[in-house]
Amino acid sequence: LAKTTQPISMDSYEGQEVNITCSHNNIATNDYITWYQQFPSQGPRFIIQGYKTKVTNEVASLFIPADRKSSTLSLPRVSLSDTAVYYCLVDSYSGAGSYQLTFGKGTKLSVIP
Amino acid sequence: DAGVIQSPRHEVTEMGQEVTLRCKPISGHNSLFWYRQTMMRGLELLIYFNNNVPIDDSGMPEDRFSAKMPNASFSTLKIQPSEPRDSAVYFCASSLGGSETQYFGPGTRLLVL
Repeated sequence: LAKTTQPISMDSYEGQEVNITCSHNNIATNDYITWYQQFPSQGPRFIIQGYKTKVTNEVASLFIPADRKSSTLSLPRVSLSDTAVYYCLVDSYSGAGSYQLTFGKGTKLSVIP
Repeated sequence: DAGVIQSPRHEVTEMGQEVTLRCKPISGHNSLFWYRQTMMRGLELLIYFNNNVPIDDSGMPEDRFSAKMPNASFSTLKIQPSEPRDSAVYFCASSLGGSETQYFGPGTRLLVL
């Protein structure tokens, strides 16, 4: 079961690029990496998912090195509305249709004007 | 689609009472997840269903907790008897499959006095 580790909190000024790194040292071959965003009093919301190298969508980029033991969520030019908790999730398939879903503790991003 | 629907949104009860949380997943989704979120423990997966069948309930804290999914459009999480340490936000999420994007409901905020 892949356990994830990420920083507890980060601060950034508006307009800056923010990179949040998640460690998942014992990730398995078939595991995917997914990032979610959570605002206060709301459920988490999907941001991006990847397996290896780089994935980009309209919201963020996800960088995964060759050894896949970590991943970095990159948010370009953050705004105040990006203040939230960001979770790194490793989807570990354990056979027979069973997935072990492990959320990290989350990184609280505070964007400062 | 209205998204994942949870009820009630807030629940206050006294220790020893039975609590039933309800969830309606997004139509067409085959997987349903129950999570619990607290400040101390973060976001924990309690149980997940695939095609109405419980696949992994290893996260259910103890026998006081039970979950059912009688059909594809409804699930319940029951706590009997409830204890103050069960106070948390309980989220329900659904997805097209085990490793697909999860869509979270707004959560039920439970307070056990």
